[in-house]
Amino acid sequence: DADVTQTPRNRITKTGKRIMLECSQTKGHDRMYWYRQDPGLGLQLIYYSFDVKDINKGEISDGYSVSRQAQAKFSLSLESAIPNQTALYFCATSTGRQGNTGELFFGEGSRLTVL
Amino acid sequence: GDSVTQMEGPVTLSEEAFLTINCTYTATGYPSLFWYVQYPGEGLQLLLKATKADDKGSNKGFEATYRKETTSFHLEKGSVQVSDSAVYFCALNAGGTSYGKLTFGQGTILTVHP
Repeated sequence: DADVTQTPRNRITKTGKRIMLECSQTKGHDRMYWYRQDPGLGLQLIYYSFDVKDINKGEISDGYSVSRQAQAKFSLSLESAIPNQTALYFCATSTGRQGNTGELFFGEGSRLTVL
Repeated sequence: GDSVTQMEGPVTLSEEAFLTINCTYTATGYPSLFWYVQYPGEGLQLLLKATKADDKGSNKGFEATYRKETTSFHLEKGSVQVSDSAVYFCALNAGGTSYGKLTFGQGTILTVHP
């Protein structure tokens, strides 16, 4: 089983709908991240959380919200989806322990299409 | 701010050819540098990393050396295989207040033909 699991893996929805992407991890990491991947743009950070009570905006947080329900769970919501939010979304984790070099561990991605 | 610039792709090679993918960066402080690989339909996997100047990261025949003087971390492989076809991302972790967050380059698509 994957250490970082994302659901759903694929979703097609319509403009204006509310969408939630979920992420769970079994790595025991305290830090979790949501990234968005667009062709030719690499990965851009949407939100990140360094522990259950900590939520921080990334580079492109407008139109998104997150919830850290537990150490192992971090969900991303689009309150009212729009077509330019069509992208591949990745959840990632890392440890906050001293000596961590910043390596991230990624889920397999959730492909979202907004019509 | 921090940034990573990769050579533009896509890159197409024949099997057993030599590979170089260029990566340069801008960051304050002393970042850690990474190469991630994304195979078709999969998430990103760490390929190699280097945490200080002159360190060489290596894995699966790939190598990259952290060059502080040229702010570069070029990826090389002496003889590519069809199975190396993937998207390659250079990334940095600048540390300090950015600790734990990676800044990615735009990715380079590599296709290797038999």
